[in-house]
Amino acid sequence: GAGVSQSPSNKVTEKGKDVELRCDPISGHTALYWYRQSLGQGLEFLIYFQGNSAPDKSGLPSDRFSAERTGGSVSTLTIQRTQQEDSAVYLCASSSRTSFSEQYFGPGTRLTVT
Amino acid sequence: AQSVAQPEDQVNVAEGNPLTVKCTYSVSGNPYLFWYVQYPNRGLQFLLKYITGDNLVKGSYGFEAEFNKSQTSFHLKKPSALVSDSALYFCAVTGAGNNRKLIWGLGTSLAVNP
Repeated sequence: GAGVSQSPSNKVTEKGKDVELRCDPISGHTALYWYRQSLGQGLEFLIYFQGNSAPDKSGLPSDRFSAERTGGSVSTLTIQRTQQEDSAVYLCASSSRTSFSEQYFGPGTRLTVT
Repeated sequence: AQSVAQPEDQVNVAEGNPLTVKCTYSVSGNPYLFWYVQYPNRGLQFLLKYITGDNLVKGSYGFEAEFNKSQTSFHLKKPSALVSDSALYFCAVTGAGNNRKLIWGLGTSLAVNP
């Protein structure tokens, strides 16, 4: 079956512009996660959705970052007024309902802010 | 505070030799432990997990990991390394009450030399 997909795969934007990153999870997966991975770094948790609600937004770095999920499926991560330090690979993952289910990752969106 | 440590940034091993990638953790309650692998220019893939039961867990590509509660460790092992095992390996942990938020290690780069 189809895995997690993300678009765009690459995004170059100018400092100060807004960007939207999209994630399509595996069909039927109720949980969805956003992470950020900077070069040579581990994964930085951003936000977690269960269905359409976000019980944990603790990882969002600032109020420039927001995310939504609609229909229990597609999610969009929006970064407003991008800064150079936002440059990273943004990863999306989904998992099924149980608390010990493994997460399935998309290929990521590489964001470069110039 | 809950945490995961991967004490080695890089591990080098000759092809055919056994490999070990170390992981220790600190989490309240019973842990759920995971290993993921990130091959060059590819997304993160689930390798194996420990939830409960047998301390030795077998996963994909011939990898296994042993849960050691007294040492709070979950080291990844493979009896005979392949060059194709060269990748970045991440250990992650969550506790039952963590709303499924995974705590990630910083990753260990494994290089298998022919």
